[in-house]
Amino acid sequence: SQTIHQWPATLVQPVGSPLSLECTVEGTSNPNLYWYRQAAGRGLQLLFYSVGIGQISSEVPQNLSASRPQDRQFILSSKKLLLSDSGFYLCAWGGQGSYEQYFGPGTRLTVT
Amino acid sequence: TQLLEQSPQFLSIQEGENLTVYCNSSSVFSSLQWYRQEPGEGPVLLVTVVTGGEVKKLKRLTFQFGDARKDSSLHITAAQPGDTGLYLCAGTRNYQLIWGAGTKLIIKP
Repeated sequence: SQTIHQWPATLVQPVGSPLSLECTVEGTSNPNLYWYRQAAGRGLQLLFYSVGIGQISSEVPQNLSASRPQDRQFILSSKKLLLSDSGFYLCAWGGQGSYEQYFGPGTRLTVT
Repeated sequence: TQLLEQSPQFLSIQEGENLTVYCNSSSVFSSLQWYRQEPGEGPVLLVTVVTGGEVKKLKRLTFQFGDARKDSSLHITAAQPGDTGLYLCAGTRNYQLIWGAGTKLIIKP
């Protein structure tokens, strides 16, 4: 069966510090991968998606970036965090040709 | 502009009551999904509906896709505290997944 992992689970970082969130998927090959941000108790904002290694599409221009160095690894990064980057970050995977998505447990980021 | 409107935004009811939440749009979707999210966790896919008028049942949950594939509803019968969570709908359109803002549901024991 497929599983998706995210770490860390929680993170508190000062403004201006760098960020690296990691997501890995097990039990599937060549998945579509997604990064979302969620405001408290509300809907999801798609940040990045990837259909293959090295292929990243950005949905929202901001100071975040994403990379996919391996087939089942997706990384969200920032060089300098802003207060507005605080939120709940979710990674998801989906099969090629499918729109159903399966989410990781999320990372709660607080920028202070 | 929210392409998918979910209503109500918030609903708090007693255990045992029935409820319906809605997901509406002026756009046609090729399919629509419902997810449930508990606090501090990722959303979990409940169901995908594809055909206009389709009805799917998952135990006490009944999902319906509108005939015109522009809207959907989720009906819960005899709600239980375990049904508490954020219910999100997402529609597929032009190879993208469009998300609603969610309905926060609280079932009081």
